[in-house]
Amino acid sequence: GAVVSQHPSWVICKSGTSVKIECRSLDFQATTMFWYRQFPKQSLMLMATSNEGSKATYEQGVEKDKFLINHASLTLSTLTVTSAHPEDSSFYICSARTTGGGGYTFGSGTRLTVV
Amino acid sequence: EDQVTQSPEALRLQEGESSSLNCSYTVSGLRGLFWYRQDPGKGPEFLFTLYSAGEEKEKERLKATLTKKESFLHITAPKPEDSATYLCAVRTISSGSARQLTFGSGTQLTVLP
Repeated sequence: GAVVSQHPSWVICKSGTSVKIECRSLDFQATTMFWYRQFPKQSLMLMATSNEGSKATYEQGVEKDKFLINHASLTLSTLTVTSAHPEDSSFYICSARTTGGGGYTFGSGTRLTVV
Repeated sequence: EDQVTQSPEALRLQEGESSSLNCSYTVSGLRGLFWYRQDPGKGPEFLFTLYSAGEEKEKERLKATLTKKESFLHITAPKPEDSATYLCAVRTISSGSARQLTFGSGTQLTVLP
């Protein structure tokens, strides 16, 4: 079945630095990817939708300049958290639209801790 | 605005004690209701998709049903390995061409041996 590989699975960074999270579709082409954020014991909140070769569409309240999304190829989408602050600490999950598995495949998530 | 509400927030069951999780929704036009299982520190794992009222799907000890207002995830004779957070999500007319999902807050299920 379709697999989305997300890296890193966890990262600790200092306040003010930037962190890049990668999601790769391993055996299919992902024209659309979704990026979610999940706080402890809360649900997945959609941050943005990215389409290959075009600018991402951000949800209301999500800072475009802080959360940079690049979807330059059909197999890779990246989320860069710029000038990270402790309040950016969260669990970030990507998802791609696929033909099987209900139509969506999720990455394994990245736990970001900003200290 | 599309809304998805799951209840209860948390549920503790003894092994073998059957129960149901609820997902109620208020949406503009349902295009699919999805159930996922999420283990701690992992991404959601697909369980079921339901499209129309009256539809039912089963997989091992799990059975999902759908009405015009809500969906139930029935767990029959659960085992400790069924412990996880169960998420409900909807795709609606509002999702547009991107077809993004709107998630409920989840039910954290603990099955005690």
